[in-house]
Amino acid sequence: KQEVTQIPAALSVPEGENLVLNCSFTDSAIYNLQWFRQDPGKGLTSLLLIQSSQREQTSGRLNASLDKSSGRSTLYIAASQPGDSATYLCAVMDYGQNFVFGPGTRLSVLP
Amino acid sequence: EPEVTQTPSHQVTQMGQEVILRCVPISNHLYFYWYRQILGQKVEFLVSFYNNEISEKSEIFDDQFSVERPDGSNFTLKIRSTKLEDSAMYFCASRRGQVDGAEAFFGQGTRLTVV
Repeated sequence: KQEVTQIPAALSVPEGENLVLNCSFTDSAIYNLQWFRQDPGKGLTSLLLIQSSQREQTSGRLNASLDKSSGRSTLYIAASQPGDSATYLCAVMDYGQNFVFGPGTRLSVLP
Repeated sequence: EPEVTQTPSHQVTQMGQEVILRCVPISNHLYFYWYRQILGQKVEFLVSFYNNEISEKSEIFDDQFSVERPDGSNFTLKIRSTKLEDSAMYFCASRRGQVDGAEAFFGQGTRLTVV
């Protein structure tokens, strides 16, 4: 059974810092991996999708990498801003084409 | 930009009542999902739906739950005989297909409170 973990559980950084969020999964037989952002009490906003054959994806200040063989993905956020404060979730899509979510990393960027 | 819409945003119901949560997926999408998130916990898979039938369901999705695509656009989740532990945020998601269409888009959620 696929298990997804995320480290750290919470992170607080001053504005302007670059930071890395980590995601690990136990079964490397995945279709893709997607990073989401969730604001308190709100829905899930898709940030980046990495197909299993890809190594990384970039969107603006965000860069996500995938190492399928070791079961790891990282989300790199450059020049963090207070508006980046949210919970970041990673989710892997297994071959049943359903997502398994991690518990999230709660990020606070302090002005 | 197309989006997944869910109604209502918040539903309060008495224990034992039936509720129907509604979702309008993105129009050219073929795969539909319901997930739920109990406060402070992980987002959990409930059910996936493709080609007008359930593709897969989790252990959570027992006889209390059912899904339907009644009119080709709406996608509903029915919860019968609601229990206190059904209180959660329920998310609908859709995606177009495999490979290029693999990105999933989620709605803003329906917060269900069972009292």
